[in-house]
Amino acid sequence: KAGVTQTPRYLIKTRGQQVTLSCSPISGHRSVSWYQQTPGQGLQFLFEYFSETQRNKGNFPGRFSGRQFSNSRSEMNVSTLELGDSALYLCASSFKRGYTDTQYFGPGTRLTVL
Amino acid sequence: DAKTTQPNSMESNEEEPVHLPCNHSTISGTDYIHWYRQLPSQGPEYVIHGLTSNVNNRMASLAIAEDRKSSTLILHRATLRDAAVYYCILRPASYNQGGKLIFGQGTELSVKP
Repeated sequence: KAGVTQTPRYLIKTRGQQVTLSCSPISGHRSVSWYQQTPGQGLQFLFEYFSETQRNKGNFPGRFSGRQFSNSRSEMNVSTLELGDSALYLCASSFKRGYTDTQYFGPGTRLTVL
Repeated sequence: DAKTTQPNSMESNEEEPVHLPCNHSTISGTDYIHWYRQLPSQGPEYVIHGLTSNVNNRMASLAIAEDRKSSTLILHRATLRDAAVYYCILRPASYNQGGKLIFGQGTELSVKP
């Protein structure tokens, strides 16, 4: 099976702009989660979608939003970009194993805000 | 959410075993212990998980203390490709797949040739 894919891999934007990142999960995986990774804060959970519904949300401002489509592909959007939004954005899809699960991560989108 | 504590960094020699410790003294009875690792310039990847018993897979072994307050990830023969940040994460048991992973700072493992 193909792994989790994310597009674009690299992105440069300026403050105040908005950006949309895309994630295609592994075929058959219905849960998609998004994470932000920065040197200062490490890996932080943004939100999770399952069957087109947001099921969990991390502690991020409303400028960060997402959605999931019927084919499980997901997008996240950041509006009014700030310098601090520069980060690696990772997407993961989930495979259930009994009462727990395994998450498979994509390579990430490196966002730089100037 | 229960917290885990790991050493910030560890060093190993190539082809020697590596024992990566993790303390989780506030673990609840239904928490699974998961390990992920992140190689340089890549997303995290799943390594192994367990609940109570020791577990083995092709990548590593997981040894879980009898009281479950600590665990150890064992790489039997470290290679240069094992240099990565290793994260120990607790996951509550759930009927649902998905949900958030709470990453700590992890242990940065360096492997010397």
